[in-house]
Amino acid sequence: DSGVTQTPKHLITATGQRVTLRCSPRSGDLSVYWYQQSLDQGLQFLIQYYNGEERAKGNILERFSAQQFPDLHSELNLSSLELGDSALYFCASSVATREGNEQFFGPGTRLTVL
Amino acid sequence: AQSVTQLGSHVSVSEGALVLLRCNYSSSVPPYLFWYVQYPNQGLQLLLKYTSAATLVKGINGFEAEFKKSETSFHLTKPSAHMSDAAEYFCAVNVNTGRRALTFGSGTRLQVQP
Repeated sequence: DSGVTQTPKHLITATGQRVTLRCSPRSGDLSVYWYQQSLDQGLQFLIQYYNGEERAKGNILERFSAQQFPDLHSELNLSSLELGDSALYFCASSVATREGNEQFFGPGTRLTVL
Repeated sequence: AQSVTQLGSHVSVSEGALVLLRCNYSSSVPPYLFWYVQYPNQGLQLLLKYTSAATLVKGINGFEAEFKKSETSFHLTKPSAHMSDAAEYFCAVNVNTGRRALTFGSGTRLQVQP
C-alpha cells in the first residue's frame, strides 16, 4: 500500500459525459501528478500540482482539467468524454518537487467510456 | 528532451533463471532513472532509483540495476526469477529541465515459467 488513495476504482460512463476522479496523496506529500495509461499511448504524464498550484502540464487535452485543494487532495475532471478516453488514470504523489524524488502511485481509476 | 526505450515488450524466463530487462535512456543532462513494477490490476510500485550516488543500485525483491553512462543504459537484473516476479516492468527517467514528471518506457511484461 503506497498511501495514495484514488476513488472510484472503476467508472463506466457514456460518450459526452463528464466525470471526476479523486486522489488523496500520501500524508506529508505536497506534489500530485496525474498519469494516463492506455494500450496505444502507454503511460503518459498529464498534469502536476504542487501545494495547490499547477506546476507542469503534459499531454493533457483541453477537455481535461485538474485542481489541488487546500487539504492537498486533487481532482481530475474529464468532460465531453470520447471512446478514446477509456484508460487507467493514476495519481502519484511525492514529498516535494525536486528531480529524483520518488513518486508513489495510487491503485488507479479504470475509466470505461461506452 | 528525455526518453527511455525498453527493448523487448515481452520476456519469458524459467523459474530460477536470470532476469534481464533492458532500458536505454536519452538525455542531454545527467538523468534520474527509475524502475517500477506493475502487478495485474494494481498501481505502480517503485523497485529502485538511480540518483548519481552509486552506479549499482539495489532495490526491493532482489532486483538491482546498473547505470552505464557510456552505454546510456540502466538494465534491471535479478539473479534468480521467482513466479511472483511475473508482472509488467517500466523504466522511467526524470531530468533537470524544470519538469518533474516521469517519462516512462513502453514497458516489458515478464513471464516466469515453472
